[in-house]
Amino acid sequence: AQSVTQLDSQVPVFEEAPVELRCNYSSSVSVYLFWYVQYPNQGLQLLLKYLSGSTLVKGINGFEAEFNKSQTSFHLRKPSVHISDTAEYFCAVTRGNTDKLIFGTGTRLQVFP
Amino acid sequence: DAGVIQSPRHEVTEMGQEVTLRCKPISGHNSLFWYRQTMMRGLELLIYFNNNVPIDDSGMPEDRFSAKMPNASFSTLKIQPSEPRDSAVYFCASSPDSGRNEQFFGPGTRLTVL
Repeated sequence: AQSVTQLDSQVPVFEEAPVELRCNYSSSVSVYLFWYVQYPNQGLQLLLKYLSGSTLVKGINGFEAEFNKSQTSFHLRKPSVHISDTAEYFCAVTRGNTDKLIFGTGTRLQVFP
Repeated sequence: DAGVIQSPRHEVTEMGQEVTLRCKPISGHNSLFWYRQTMMRGLELLIYFNNNVPIDDSGMPEDRFSAKMPNASFSTLKIQPSEPRDSAVYFCASSPDSGRNEQFFGPGTRLTVL
């Protein structure tokens, strides 16, 4: 069975500082990995996804993530955050075309001025 | 493209009443997902459909919950009878296919059961 662990429930950071949100997964087979963002009172939207190929994936709003198979991680990074990045971030995994998406418990990123 | 449409956006009802949540997926998408989000349990997948057929309903909490997808452009999630512990935000999402593809989420329905 697959699972996703987001190690930090909350990450406070000052504006313009770098940030890393951690995500580890467990699966005995190849997986596809996703990061979603949820702004207050909205649904989730895709930030980026890893399906295959280059392990460094770039997404919207300046975010990027690196797939590390040996460490079973897919950490999300941004070199300089803005106040508008304050939101809940979810890591998710799926095995393939007929499998459901398994979400982590989420990490709340709070950016302070 | 209007995106995934959910109605109502907010619902307040009394315990014991029937509640019906509605979802219109993005045209052309084959998969539809119903999620529930609460502070205590986070984001939970309740059920998902592929080509209008329920594939996995293992997340449906109990018999009070039921979901249907009579055609490719409409789905309902019904709770009968509702209980205060059902209070949550319910999201519908659709995807061109399950698995590899991005799921597009609706704005959610905030349900409050008094």
